[in-house]
Amino acid sequence: DAGVIQSPRHEVTEMGQEVTLRCKPISGHDYLFWYRQTMMRGLELLIYFNNNVPIDDSGMPEDRFSAKMPNASFSTLKIQPSEPRDSAVYFCASRDDRGSSYNEQFFGPGTRLTVL
Amino acid sequence: AQKITQTQPGMFVQEKEAVTLDCTYDTSDPSYGLFWYKQPSSGEMIFLIYQGSYDQQNATEGRYSLNFQKARKSANLVISASQLGDSAMYFCAMREVTGNQFYFGTGTSLTVIP
Repeated sequence: DAGVIQSPRHEVTEMGQEVTLRCKPISGHDYLFWYRQTMMRGLELLIYFNNNVPIDDSGMPEDRFSAKMPNASFSTLKIQPSEPRDSAVYFCASRDDRGSSYNEQFFGPGTRLTVL
Repeated sequence: AQKITQTQPGMFVQEKEAVTLDCTYDTSDPSYGLFWYKQPSSGEMIFLIYQGSYDQQNATEGRYSLNFQKARKSANLVISASQLGDSAMYFCAMREVTGNQFYFGTGTSLTVIP
């Protein structure tokens, strides 16, 4: 298994531009999570999906952020318009649902976003 | 209240020595899981070890062990025989069975000194 795949690995853009981050979860995993990591705020959960349905988006900072999961193998996180304070590493993670607490999340390599 | 607390922002350890990274948690759920992740400077998050709330024995994975003290609500990570490659950020996390999200601590930066 290739693990969780994220693209791009690095993104540099200018303020006001639209940014789209992509994630392919591990095949068969029911849950997909989007996190943001910064030095100031640590690792923050933005949104998560179960069976392609958004369950909790309370961590999405504002309306400029949106996430979709059109099918079980693909999700996007979009920022429009981007701002310098959005600069961070964005992680996607997935896990399966075996109905117990033992379901570690598998993280993708992250996308390092820099907004100038 | 913080679900996961890691009180050591930074730790140093001599190569080949053992080191303990502290983690305390807060939950009223009777069933939960505790996890440790390693994040090297390259940035990826690597799962290390898991402890279930009903597990009777402390979890071990190679040089990693988890010192689980349920009454104290602590789940400290012990790394034995530290290696230079152990230098990284270490995150403690918890998942309650009644919920789906993981709660992460703020991390501990470990530096192994040759």
